[in-house]
Amino acid sequence: AQSVTQPDIHITVSEGASLELRCNYSYGATPYLFWYVQSPGQGLQLLLKYFSGDTLVQGIKGFEAEFKRSQSSFNLRKPSVHWSDAAEYFCAVGPDYGGATNKLIFGTGTLLAVQP
Amino acid sequence: EAGVAQSPRYKIIEKRQSVAFWCNPISGHATLYWYQQILGQGPKLLIQFQNNGVVDDSQLPKDRFSAERLKGVDSTLKIQPAKLEDSAVYLCASSRQGGSPLHFGNGTRLTVT
Repeated sequence: AQSVTQPDIHITVSEGASLELRCNYSYGATPYLFWYVQSPGQGLQLLLKYFSGDTLVQGIKGFEAEFKRSQSSFNLRKPSVHWSDAAEYFCAVGPDYGGATNKLIFGTGTLLAVQP
Repeated sequence: EAGVAQSPRYKIIEKRQSVAFWCNPISGHATLYWYQQILGQGPKLLIQFQNNGVVDDSQLPKDRFSAERLKGVDSTLKIQPAKLEDSAVYLCASSRQGGSPLHFGNGTRLTVT
């Protein structure tokens, strides 16, 4: 069955420290992978996406993610965290972006807290 | 461009009552989605519209949930009767077409008591 696992429910980092949020997926076909961020009371905002090609993808707000097929992982990273990065982060997997449906399967999210 | 608009932002009802949520997608976006986000879980797709036709409603509890998208623009999601387990945030999203990036609204937080 298709699924996304985010092993870390809650992470706390100090401002200026590096960050890595883990994501593992199970998907029968070639996956299309996404990271979204959700601030309190807000909708989800797309950070970055991977379809094909270079396995290291750059996103907005200084985030990047690396696709590792052998590990079925798509971890999100940021070299230096800012207090404004405190939010909930969701990894998602979906079908062919050119298909008729955008039925994304989301992980349960990782809540990021940033200490001053 | 204006984002996806949803109303109301919050709603509290008693079980067995009915409730409706409204969504206005980004202008020109043909595809509209309703997601349910239960506390501690990721969003789950309830229904996807392409213009005013349903593309996917496989996870919509059709005995109590209904949705429509009149004229291929605004959409309404209804729950009747509500159960305690329907307490969640209901997110609307839109995209230019089925294969384009999703834009999410801020959601409606429903509490069923």
